[in-house]
Amino acid sequence: QKEVEQNSGPLSVPEGAIASLNCTYSDRVSQSFFWYRQYSGKSPELIMSIYSNGDKEDGRFTAQLNKASQYVSLLIRDSQPSDSATYLCAVGPRDTGRRALTFGSGTRLQVQP
Amino acid sequence: DGGITQSPKYLFRKEGQNVTLSCEQNLNHDAMYWYRQDPGQGLRLIYYSQIVNDFQKGDIAEGYSVSREKKESFPLTVTSAQKNPTAFYLCASSLPSGPNIQYFGAGTRLSVL
Repeated sequence: QKEVEQNSGPLSVPEGAIASLNCTYSDRVSQSFFWYRQYSGKSPELIMSIYSNGDKEDGRFTAQLNKASQYVSLLIRDSQPSDSATYLCAVGPRDTGRRALTFGSGTRLQVQP
Repeated sequence: DGGITQSPKYLFRKEGQNVTLSCEQNLNHDAMYWYRQDPGQGLRLIYYSQIVNDFQKGDIAEGYSVSREKKESFPLTVTSAQKNPTAFYLCASSLPSGPNIQYFGAGTRLSVL
């Protein structure tokens, strides 16, 4: 059973629309949640982090966390072609002695001009 | 500029050969990680180290070895025992406490000749 699940996509949205990316996780006591953006052939870059239930906004990006339902989502408003990338969801472990993250396989987003 | 430097960018391995991937950081981070990414997949943890002279196996450590003799450096050796080494290798680092925000190097793409 995968620990972090994402729809692989591609998710295709027109320019200017809202892109909604979803992620579910299996470890109920996970504490930290991250969204990374990865352009083709490049390394992941952090775009959002969230630690408590609710919404967190940063510019065009909003992360949403619902620990009871074990899902975290990323909304991208006013999507731009430059947002076309793979978005990786990462979850912080229950075991605080292990400082690594568990990554989903990513959702590929395509923003159509 | 602070950051994580991985070298080389591209590496080719002959059958039966050991190769070493370099990872250096000047962020003064204590924790460092090695991940492997296969096409269309998420990141899988190979090894991680929270302090100098200490490291732990991740989910796919077989066929790999690491050392952590200096805080700044965490080299990864892909041994001949790793039968399918072709992948994108990513090094990351983070602070040892607080939210486990990980920052990535640019990656090394390893192929087998």
